[in-house]
Amino acid sequence: GQNIDQPTEMTATEGAIVQINCTYQTSGFNGLFWYQQHAGEAPTFLSYNVLDGLEEKGRFSSFLSRSKGYSYLLLKELQMKDSASYLCAVRDSNYQLIWGAGTKLIIKP
Amino acid sequence: IAGITQAPTSQILAAGRRMTLRCTQDMRHNAMYWYRQDLGLGLRLIHYSNTAGTTGKGEVPDGYSVSRANTDDFPLTLASAVPSQTSVYFCASSDSMGGTDTQYFGPGTRLTVL
Repeated sequence: GQNIDQPTEMTATEGAIVQINCTYQTSGFNGLFWYQQHAGEAPTFLSYNVLDGLEEKGRFSSFLSRSKGYSYLLLKELQMKDSASYLCAVRDSNYQLIWGAGTKLIIKP
Repeated sequence: IAGITQAPTSQILAAGRRMTLRCTQDMRHNAMYWYRQDLGLGLRLIHYSNTAGTTGKGEVPDGYSVSRANTDDFPLTLASAVPSQTSVYFCASSDSMGGTDTQYFGPGTRLTVL
């Protein structure tokens, strides 16, 4: 079966750095996505990785290791508005997205 | 530009009733999707459409049907609603189903089936 694993919940302090991990087992791989979802709202796109390595975009970075079936999302200089759920999704061999259950990130002052 | 709109925002429905959730996008995207999101579970694909006139089944298609008569609209119909279909439904679109094309989501419809 196909499986995406990520921690259910994480807590971090405003101004700090947090790393959210995602491991996957899917039938084929055609890219990995990270989305942010605030409570009661729609998911919004953060990053896309298809090759191994780090992609940096402002305060957010995403890393991929295809051989390990592993990715992480790194958030720097945390702000209160970063409190949200972070969703990891893998595009499989049918070009459909398989989604993890999401990691709820709680930012404390 | 509105992006993707969904209607209704929320709905309470009696079991056995028929219901159509509406989705419209103005980005001229070729691909459209319907997902359901339940607490503790990832988004699950119900149906998708690669382009106008074609549709396909996702992970959880039973009890749902879709049509894609034109590029902009992708309605989702529950022929006879059951309580297990209580969920938040998201419509999404992308330029295609491959490459770097990301999916853009509508605001969602919260459906309760009693």
